[in-house]
Amino acid sequence: GAGVSQTPSNKVTEKGKYVELRCDPISGHTALYWYRQSLGQGPEFLIYFQGTGAADDSGLPNDRFFAVRPEGSVSTLKIQRTERGDSAVYLCASSPRLGTDTQYFGPGTRLTVL
Amino acid sequence: QQQVKQSPQSLIVQKGGISIINCAYENTAFDYFPWYQQFPGKGPALLIAIRPDVSEKKEGRFTISFNKSAKQFSLHIMDSQPGDSATYFCAAGSGNTGKLIFGQGTTLQVKP
Repeated sequence: GAGVSQTPSNKVTEKGKYVELRCDPISGHTALYWYRQSLGQGPEFLIYFQGTGAADDSGLPNDRFFAVRPEGSVSTLKIQRTERGDSAVYLCASSPRLGTDTQYFGPGTRLTVL
Repeated sequence: QQQVKQSPQSLIVQKGGISIINCAYENTAFDYFPWYQQFPGKGPALLIAIRPDVSEKKEGRFTISFNKSAKQFSLHIMDSQPGDSATYFCAAGSGNTGKLIFGQGTTLQVKP
C-alpha cells in the first residue's frame, strides 16, 4: 500500500524540551532504520530494528536519543533535553528484511530546536 | 574506515549531456553499493544498486561502474534531462545488516 510515513512533518521546539518523532513503515517490512540528515549532508545512520529489537544503535549520538518499536511496526524516536545541534531532518526507512533489500525512505521530520 | 567520499559536490550539465559522479570507500567489508536520488523536501529514493561481483550495471539511462581493486564506484547518467536535477547520494553497506554509510551528496543541475 502506502509508502513510509513520518509524523509530524515539521517540529519546532525549544532547547531543553522533549520530542517524539513517529515512523510508520511499509506494511510487512520487518527492518526499520532511522537516519539523521543535516543541511547539505548525506543521511547519517542512527539505529535499526529487526522486528521489535534494536539490532544496532551504534549511531545514536548520546543517551538523550532513544528509539522503540514495541510491536514490530511503528517506531518512535525520542529525544530528551533537545539541543540546537539536534536540528536536522530525521529520516525513517524500512525494508522487507534486514540486509541489502531496498530501503524505502519516508519524507522525514524536520526538527528545529530554537 | 566507515567513510564514503563523494565528488563533485555540485555539477552542472547541459541537457543531453553525461553526468558523472564518483565515490570511494575504504572498508572492504562493504558489499552493497546503492545510489539514491533526493528531491527537495523528499526522502531519498533508490535509483540503482550494485554488488561487487560485477563491474557494471545499467538500468535505462543510469549506469554504475564499479572498480573493486580501487575501491571506487561511479554513477553515469546518460542523456541528462532537466528532470534529473536533484541531489544524488552514493552509499555503501554490508549484506548482513543493511546499515548504509552515505556520501556527502552531489547536487546536479541539468540546464535545458
